Amino acid sequence: SYELTQPPSVSVSPGQTARITCSGDALPKKYAYWYQQKSGQAPVLVIYEDSKRPSGIPERFSGSSSGTMATLTISGAQVEDEADYYCYSTDSSGNHKVFGGGTKLTVL
Amino acid sequence: QVTLKESGPVLVKPTETLTLTCTVSGFSLSNARMGVSWIRQPPGKALEWLAHIFSNDEKYYSTSLKSRLTISKDTSKSQVVLTMTNMDPVDTATYYCARISVDCSGGSCSSYMDVWGKGTTVTVSS
Repeated sequence: SYELTQPPSVSVSPGQTARITCSGDALPKKYAYWYQQKSGQAPVLVIYEDSKRPSGIPERFSGSSSGTMATLTISGAQVEDEADYYCYSTDSSGNHKVFGGGTKLTVL
Repeated sequence: QVTLKESGPVLVKPTETLTLTCTVSGFSLSNARMGVSWIRQPPGKALEWLAHIFSNDEKYYSTSLKSRLTISKDTSKSQVVLTMTNMDPVDTATYYCARISVDCSGGSCSSYMDVWGKGTTVTVSS
């Protein structure tokens, strides 16, 4: 079955740039999406179609994709950005949807 | 304002069938550019995609759970129903429904979950 691989954790100090990666064999052909999930809350879409930002999402959130890796970048991370982040995509057929294992971002 | 609300039993027994309902507002299940997805999250674990249903009744299921899942919709009631048979304690999780938006602006179509419900917690125990 298709898998997306994320690092379990990333830690940065406030104001630094946080980068969270997501690797998958189909990413050269399929978009990556990123969700933020704060403790006890439902996920929120922060990046769609590799690099687009939904309305209401701060500009410090950006996304990129190259080859088999997609990256979520938080420029000038803030304490309120502490959360679990999940990438989402599909296999090459588009029929099988999958989330990555999630990355816990610590900002302190 | 787009909202989705999950409802269903809090507790189910092993081997029973779980039926969850997602009631949506702010959009129509007949909208060709939208659909509804179900996702679950066991305590302390990652999100797991379960199923998609689109306005044309096209359905997709998780490969590992396909034999146990059925997704359906009642457009007139603005509801999407997910059933999962033969429940097991490992199915204990928070179950979310989410709106799917379909974007065909780039020459090909992509779909993704853009608005989520708050989730409903289901415990499987005898």
